[in-house]
Amino acid sequence: QVQLQESGPGLVNPSETLSLTCTVSRGSISHSYWTWVRQPAGKGLEWIGRFYPGDTHYNPSLKSRVTMSIDASMNQFSLRLTSVTAADTAVYFCATYAPGSDAFGIWGRGTGVTVSS
Amino acid sequence: QSVLTQPPSLSGAPGQRVTISCTGSSSNIGAGYDVHWYQQLPGAAPKLLIYANNNRPSGVPDRFSGSNSGTSAALAITGLQADDEAQYYCQSYDTSLSGVVFGGGTKLTVL
Repeated sequence: QVQLQESGPGLVNPSETLSLTCTVSRGSISHSYWTWVRQPAGKGLEWIGRFYPGDTHYNPSLKSRVTMSIDASMNQFSLRLTSVTAADTAVYFCATYAPGSDAFGIWGRGTGVTVSS
Repeated sequence: QSVLTQPPSLSGAPGQRVTISCTGSSSNIGAGYDVHWYQQLPGAAPKLLIYANNNRPSGVPDRFSGSNSGTSAALAITGLQADDEAQYYCQSYDTSLSGVVFGGGTKLTVL
């Protein structure tokens, strides 16, 4: 089955842009919906957004700062979050739907991001 | 404050039955949007436990079941086991927010 692996810088300065990548293996990135979810330490899950060409939706609370995209040639899915603050410190997960459902059936292990100078 | 409300914590003894509630509103569960449930062990990614209200993915024991009624949903766990100790989240879609919403999570402790 499809496997997901997040990667990113780990540490980002306040006001800068966070860029994360989700590499898809054992499957194609095409013709699927891709999602980012984040989780601050000790807190709950927050949906960041969902990407599909022509059908992309972002969390309204983050919409002005978020961009998602895919690189089909690399089988990768990316997240850009601009103007980060300490409130963006979290573990970031990429995920995709389970077959025949809009539930998140496949998750990456997550990558931790700390916003600090 | 989460759009979907869950009790912060619950506990039960081995072998018992516990139910985790997820209370929404007319713009999410009450509007007929599916509810999904996830189990998250410490340091791990969430794992899909129940999808589309009451369906179990392959490999999830039938001790786990989901149900809906009106603006609420529930996850029932029977025959509680020590390795059921985890955080549980419900998830749905909210038409007012135009996006996916999660419950705040419930920490289940097996006594």
